Amino acid sequence: KQEVTQIPAALSVPEGENLVLNCSFTDSAIYNLQWFRQDPGKGLTSLLLIQSSQREQTSGRLNASLDKSSGRSTLYIAASQPGDSATYLCAVLYSGAGSYQLTFGKGTKLSVIP
Amino acid sequence: NAGVTQTPKFRILKIGQSMTLQCTQDMNHNYMYWYRQDPGMGLKLIYYSVGAGITDKGEVPNGYNVSRSTTEDFPLRLELAAPSQTSVYFCASSYSMVSRGLQETQYFGPGTRLLVL
Repeated sequence: KQEVTQIPAALSVPEGENLVLNCSFTDSAIYNLQWFRQDPGKGLTSLLLIQSSQREQTSGRLNASLDKSSGRSTLYIAASQPGDSATYLCAVLYSGAGSYQLTFGKGTKLSVIP
Repeated sequence: NAGVTQTPKFRILKIGQSMTLQCTQDMNHNYMYWYRQDPGMGLKLIYYSVGAGITDKGEVPNGYNVSRSTTEDFPLRLELAAPSQTSVYFCASSYSMVSRGLQETQYFGPGTRLLVL
């Protein structure tokens, strides 16, 4: 069974700091990995999607890397802003029990202090 | 495009009552999903559908039913509500699930918060 772990569970940083969020997964046979952002009381917004054949994806101040063999991904946020405050969820798509399953981590709650 | 819409936003049910959570998408996506999110936890897949008339169980299907009569709609039915079903329910959709040169990012609705007392 695929399990996704995110460390740390919560993170507080001053505005302007660069930061890294970590995600690890137990079964390396994945199709893709996604990073989502969730604001309180809102749905999830996809930030970056990395295919299993890719090593990284970039969007603006965000950079996500994937090391499938070691079961790890990182989300790098440059020059953090208060508007980045949210919960960040990592999810992997894999084939389990005869169907495709998207398994989520519990998330990292980020607070960027002005 | 409105994207993925869900109704209601919030509902309180008594134990044993039934209700239907509505989900509609206007992106002509083939795939639709229902997840639940318990406090401090990640999302768990309840049911999913790969197209009209086709549904399949996810990780936590017990106590729920779904149907997919049209591409746009994917309602989730709770027949006998139990306190364990207190959660936030998210509906999502995507064009595909596994890359065949197509985008498989899932788009999420705003969620339905359900409280069973």
